[in-house]
Amino acid sequence: AQSVSQHNHHVILSEAASLELGCNYSYGGTVNLFWYVQYPGQHLQLLLKYFSGDPLVKGIKGFEAEFIKSKFSFNLRKPSVQWSDTAEYFCAVKNTGGFKTIFGAGTRLFVKA
Amino acid sequence: DAGVIQSPRHEVTEMGQEVTLRCKPISGHNSLFWYRQTMMRGLELLIYFNNNVPIDDSGMPEDRFSAKMPNASFSTLKIQPSEPRDSAVYFCASSLGPGLYTEAFFGQGTRLTVV
Repeated sequence: AQSVSQHNHHVILSEAASLELGCNYSYGGTVNLFWYVQYPGQHLQLLLKYFSGDPLVKGIKGFEAEFIKSKFSFNLRKPSVQWSDTAEYFCAVKNTGGFKTIFGAGTRLFVKA
Repeated sequence: DAGVIQSPRHEVTEMGQEVTLRCKPISGHNSLFWYRQTMMRGLELLIYFNNNVPIDDSGMPEDRFSAKMPNASFSTLKIQPSEPRDSAVYFCASSLGPGLYTEAFFGQGTRLTVV
């Protein structure tokens, strides 16, 4: 079955620490990849997306992600987190087989001030 | 653009009652998705429409759940009868199309509590 795996369910960091959240997917072929963020009590917002081209994509608020096709991975990174980055982060994948966007289970990030 | 608009934002209802959730997608988007979010199961795709036609409803949990899209600017998700285990946040999302190279835009969600 098609799936998206996020490696960490909970991450706690201090401000200014670096962040890397892992994401792996199980589809072959052409994929679109996304990271969404959900701040407490709010809806999902798109952080960044990969459609094609440069596998290193930059999103809003200083986030970036790298698509490594050979590893079926799309890890999210930020060099220095802020307290305001406290949120839940979802990796998502869309492929050519049905066009559904499938979400990972999410990673809850808590940043200590 | 006002984005995807959902109503109500919060709904509290008694077990056995009918619940209707509403969604207005972004103008010009022809794909619409209903998701359910719970602590236990995360974000689940319930059903999606393309050009007002249901394409995949394999995520709809049971016959108590039904969804319609009578026109390009309105969709409903109905639960009849509701049960406490239906308590969740229900999100509607829309995108320009069903294919690749489009992303989903989410509404604010409806927090449903069934007591």
